[in-house]
Amino acid sequence: NAGVTQTPKFRILKIGQSMTLQCAQDMNHNYMYWYRQDPGMGLKLIYYSVGAGITDKGEVPNGYNVSRSTTEDFPLRLELAAPSQTSVYFCASSWRGGVGGEQYFGPGTRLTVT
Amino acid sequence: DQQVKQNSPSLSVQEGRISILNCDYTNSMFDYFLWYKKYPAEGPTFLISISSIKDKNEDGRFTVFLNKSAKHLSLHIVPSQPGDSAVYFCAAKTYGSGNTGKLIFGQGTTLQVKP
Repeated sequence: NAGVTQTPKFRILKIGQSMTLQCAQDMNHNYMYWYRQDPGMGLKLIYYSVGAGITDKGEVPNGYNVSRSTTEDFPLRLELAAPSQTSVYFCASSWRGGVGGEQYFGPGTRLTVT
Repeated sequence: DQQVKQNSPSLSVQEGRISILNCDYTNSMFDYFLWYKKYPAEGPTFLISISSIKDKNEDGRFTVFLNKSAKHLSLHIVPSQPGDSAVYFCAAKTYGSGNTGKLIFGQGTTLQVKP
């Protein structure tokens, strides 16, 4: 049971490039989330999904896109990377949204846009 | 608008003493609160939670207190151990609106426990 896995661990992008951050979980969780953490700040929600085929925006969705074609995978797409997207990205999953639905986090992807 | 605030960026305590981490919130619709612990280069891990219908929840050395009237919660760690040194995040959610599970996080408090 690997939990939540994220690839890559590190990436450097040039301004204007695109990339996909991968996230997978093997706990059969319906709920999945993408967060970003900027230095000295808390985590901010980018996008989330309550099940395969269902996604919605979080607090800071601009510049990102997601898809959820399977229960296991929840990739995050960055189009036209900008320096403001330099951050650490965390994917998380949970088995429910309400009480008791604690989120399990992946190890993160550190992205630098120059 | 910062709905969840941790006003102390850092805290240093001696091993064996009590660590108290504080968190304030502004949204009265929040009804479930969680604490996460984060080591460098790792993802956050769940520590303890409390529902708004309670004012205290204990799990071993960790206790969370909730004061709804003051919109304040605190995490007590007794006794503190060097392995507790990490960043602690307070988070909140409303489970009444669609059960989406969306969390709002505070900025985090870095705890250092000195041997």
